[in-house]
Amino acid sequence: EVQLVESGGGLVKPGGSLRLSCAVSGFTFSNYSMNWVRQTPGKGLEWVSSISSSSSYIYYADSMKGRFTTSRDNAKNSLFLQMNSLRAEDTAVYYCARGNDYYDSSGYYGGYYFDYWGQGTLVTVSS
Amino acid sequence: DIQLTQSPSSLSASVGDRVTITCRASQNINRYLNWYQHKPGKAPKVLIYAASSLQSGVPSRFSGSRSGTDFTLTISSLQPEDFATYYCQQSYNNPRTFGQGTKVEIK
Repeated sequence: EVQLVESGGGLVKPGGSLRLSCAVSGFTFSNYSMNWVRQTPGKGLEWVSSISSSSSYIYYADSMKGRFTTSRDNAKNSLFLQMNSLRAEDTAVYYCARGNDYYDSSGYYGGYYFDYWGQGTLVTVSS
Repeated sequence: DIQLTQSPSSLSASVGDRVTITCRASQNINRYLNWYQHKPGKAPKVLIYAASSLQSGVPSRFSGSRSGTDFTLTISSLQPEDFATYYCQQSYNNPRTFGQGTKVEIK
């Protein structure tokens, strides 16, 4: 059974830092890209970051660039999100999600989607 | 960035109703459009990927279609467990944007 379990959330003051972790099991972690997605209070889902299977490619949403750092440890089946210079607007539930590339029966690329998600961890930025 | 505009933002429907949610992309995204269901306190769940492919384990009452830059999620006969918020999401490029969501409520 595929499982993704986030941890590390909590209350932090503006300007502070927090490191989120996502422990995975039930699949070969090193074969998949991974993602962070967040949901801010009363708002919708927002993609935060993606990291390729070997960490060769890492992408961030513009509002997180320079403040957030995504990394992974394939030996420990773990994904991380280091969040610095936190702002009130970073208050959200943070989810880790596995990425899956889709190829149709003819071999044509059909896109990328988040096929498994964790339950999320709440980050609250407040003084 | 690619913008995804969902409509409506919310709707009220009864069990058994046919429900249609639309997602319009600000540019061509081919078929790189996915649909998710999200219930409060739960992990989001993928329903449809690549515009029209049904994720394994998802009931067949859910379907997706594409016409140019317009995408549609249809629930053929709404069930009690379908009351949730639905999001479209594009994977054409980064940032992998989501639509603003459509909340489906009980009438």
